[in-house]
Amino acid sequence: NAGVTQTPKFQVLKTGQSMTLQCAQDMNHEYMSWYRQDPGMGLRLIHYSVGAGITDQGEVPNGYNVSRSTTEDFPLRLLSAAPSQTSVYFCASSYHYGLTEAFFGQGTRLTVV
Amino acid sequence: SQQGEEDPQALSIQEGENATMNCSYKTSINNLQWYRQNSGRGLVHLILIRSNEREKHSGRLRVTLDTSKKSSSLLITASRAADTASYFCATDGSGGGADGLTFGKGTHLIIQP
Repeated sequence: NAGVTQTPKFQVLKTGQSMTLQCAQDMNHEYMSWYRQDPGMGLRLIHYSVGAGITDQGEVPNGYNVSRSTTEDFPLRLLSAAPSQTSVYFCASSYHYGLTEAFFGQGTRLTVV
Repeated sequence: SQQGEEDPQALSIQEGENATMNCSYKTSINNLQWYRQNSGRGLVHLILIRSNEREKHSGRLRVTLDTSKKSSSLLITASRAADTASYFCATDGSGGGADGLTFGKGTHLIIQP
């Protein structure tokens, strides 16, 4: 049972480049979400999904897109990377939003230069 | 915006002592959760306490919840070096929305051997 798998673990981008952060879970969880973690800021919600085909914006969605074509996968796309998007990104899944524990991936450390 | 705020921001104690961390939040909740994050790793769920519960135990962990004061505490008894980590409280809103968990900024706990 792999849980939540994020790839890549590290990435360096140049300003203006685009990329996709991958997230996959094998627990058949309906709810998935993306957070970013910045020093002194805790975790902030970027986008979330309550099931395949359904996504919505969180607290800090600007500059990011998501899609949920399957229950297992929830990729996060950076459209045109900016230095302000330098952060650690975490994907999480849970059986039911908010009411049950969330399982987190190991994170992707992204640097935009 | 941040819902939960942990206090203190940092805590350093001797191995074997008890560690207490506090969390305050702003709006009504269905439940409150505590997570641990080791350096450079993802978050790991520790315990969930529902809004109709006042106290919950799990091994060396004791969590209390006071909904009238909108606050919670996490007590780790007989601390060990392996407990060195950051600890976050997370709340879900009781408004029925699916926008996931809202995290505080965390308490960084250091256990001195």
